[in-house]
Amino acid sequence: NAGVTQTPKFQVLKTGQSMTLQCAQDMNHEYMSWYRQDPGMGLRLIHYSVGAGITDQGEVPNGYNVSRSTTEDFPLRLLSAAPSQTSVYFCASSRARLDRAGKLFFGSGTQLSVL
Amino acid sequence: TQLLEQSPQFLSIQEGENLTVYCNSSSVFSSLQWYRQEPGEGPVLLVTVVTGGEVKKLKRLTFQFGDARKDSSLHITAAQPGDTGLYLCAGAQTSGSRLTFGEGTQLTVNP
Repeated sequence: NAGVTQTPKFQVLKTGQSMTLQCAQDMNHEYMSWYRQDPGMGLRLIHYSVGAGITDQGEVPNGYNVSRSTTEDFPLRLLSAAPSQTSVYFCASSRARLDRAGKLFFGSGTQLSVL
Repeated sequence: TQLLEQSPQFLSIQEGENLTVYCNSSSVFSSLQWYRQEPGEGPVLLVTVVTGGEVKKLKRLTFQFGDARKDSSLHITAAQPGDTGLYLCAGAQTSGSRLTFGEGTQLTVNP
């Protein structure tokens, strides 16, 4: 069972470079989301999607873009990397609404360093 | 923005001791979830509490949702080294489309 797959696992960028973090899930979940995790700050929501073609901003969307062309994939794009974007990034998906039976299934994360 | 505050941030105890982790907010949440995260992995759901005053037990773990649905607690009885990890609470907004996470409690259980 693959679940939520994130690639790459590690990435080092120089300031100003762009890149895409990939996220794919094979559970046919409608809801997908991206979080960043920084020490002492828990997980903060970057962007989320409630279905193909629908995306919305979370708490910390600046500097990131997303699109959702298929149910399975939800890539996160860094347009011009900055040292403040050094973090661990998690993709997560859910079958149901989060306020009811929904629970998040997380990928194993991408450790990103911006120099 | 709805905020969740967890306490303590760090907890180091001996095997066999009991502990409680708290998750507090001034906001009302539709439900409250608790996750556990190990190094190099994503969080994994432990439990969801939905009703104010609800208590759920998972072996040695007891979860409680406050009557006003603004706070929650996680109590571990007779902690074991295998309980070591980062414990995160997360509150769901009524829209059902967002989870707000607390800062996390890093628990270390020493043998």
